[in-house]
Amino acid sequence: EDQVTQSPEALRLQEGESSSLNCSYTVSGLRGLFWYRQDPGKGPEFLFTLYSAGEEKEKERLKATLTKKESFLHITAPKPEDSATYLCAVHPNYGGSQGNLIFGKGTKLSVKP
Amino acid sequence: DGGITQSPKYLFRKEGQNVTLSCEQNLNHDAMYWYRQDPGQGLRLIYYSQIVNDFQKGDIAEGYSVSREKKESFPLTVTSAQKNPTAFYLCASSPGVQQPQHFGDGTRLSIL
Repeated sequence: EDQVTQSPEALRLQEGESSSLNCSYTVSGLRGLFWYRQDPGKGPEFLFTLYSAGEEKEKERLKATLTKKESFLHITAPKPEDSATYLCAVHPNYGGSQGNLIFGKGTKLSVKP
Repeated sequence: DGGITQSPKYLFRKEGQNVTLSCEQNLNHDAMYWYRQDPGQGLRLIYYSQIVNDFQKGDIAEGYSVSREKKESFPLTVTSAQKNPTAFYLCASSPGVQQPQHFGDGTRLSIL
């Protein structure tokens, strides 16, 4: 069964304390992996797309990496405004047909000043 | 500013009532989607549409209906057949099916 698992469920950091969020996936082929940020009561905000193992993308304090089985979202020197739920989604490749996005349950990040 | 507008922000449904959630986009995107988000669960796909006048069921379509008469609009009706409608509903759009989806700010539906 296709599955996306995010860990940890929740992460509490002090301001400036770098860490990583994990997204592991089991799908039959990968068309793309997406990272989103979601603030309470809001819709997800698109951050990154990764398409192949070894690919990396960066934006401010965030860096996303991809291997054949998982993706990491590295947060360097986080600030309180980085507090949010981070969602990972995978677009599987079903032998040429286009599957729908499979979302993980998210990691809730809290950054304390 | 280009974006996706969902309305209303909050909606209350009485027993036996159908309610319609609005989703409008001015991004000129071909594909549009409806998701349901429940606490502790990942987003689940209700319906999606790749082009005008065409749409497909997602993983949890029972008790919901949609239409796509215009490129910009993709309304979702929650029918009385949906027995557990309380959730946060999110609309999204993308230029194509394989491209990143961009989301509206959601409608929270509750039962009176």
